[in-house]
Amino acid sequence: AQTVTQSQPEMSVQEAETVTLSCTYDTSESDYYLFWYKQPPSRQMILVIRQEAYKQQNATENRFSVNFQKAAKSFSLKISDSQLGDAAMYFCAYQFSGTYKYIFGTGTRLKVLA
Amino acid sequence: DAGVIQSPRHEVTEMGQEVTLRCKPISGHDYLFWYRQTMMRGLELLIYFNNNVPIDDSGMPEDRFSAKMPNASFSTLKIQPSEPRDSAVYFCASSSRPGQNYGYTFGSGTRLTVV
Repeated sequence: AQTVTQSQPEMSVQEAETVTLSCTYDTSESDYYLFWYKQPPSRQMILVIRQEAYKQQNATENRFSVNFQKAAKSFSLKISDSQLGDAAMYFCAYQFSGTYKYIFGTGTRLKVLA
Repeated sequence: DAGVIQSPRHEVTEMGQEVTLRCKPISGHDYLFWYRQTMMRGLELLIYFNNNVPIDDSGMPEDRFSAKMPNASFSTLKIQPSEPRDSAVYFCASSSRPGQNYGYTFGSGTRLTVV
């Protein structure tokens, strides 16, 4: 069965610095999608970035980028120039190929220090 | 578009009562999902619909839970009778374009407290 593991329950970063959140997953599929979602205190889940497994190029969205290592089954999120508004829970998610069914990791709480 | 709209935002009910959570997906989205979030179990998929038809309800905990989608713009998740262990945040999400990777749009969730 597919699993998603986020081994860092909590991380802290100084404002304007860079932080990397880790995510590993286990699957026997070759075609799938990976996502990072942000959940601020307002509770709503917000899509941060997505990666298709068949693409070797790492996805980038402004200050957010991923390091996708398919062989290692690793999908880390790098946040550059951290801002106070980045403080939130971050969830890694795996999407089964051919469906929209997700498995979420347990989340990493990111604190941004002024 | 106003996004995925859930109501109520908060619900407090007594054990044994019926609870109905509501969701309006984004217009044009073919898929609708119900997730439950708890501290112990994280985010769990309860059920999802495609074109108003339930596709996978294997995550529905037990017969006390039921979900319907009578039309493309409305879905309900009902718990009858409710129990304290049902206390959680329930999210509705919608998505579109099968085969294309657009991710979900989530609603703001309903925090359910059963006392």
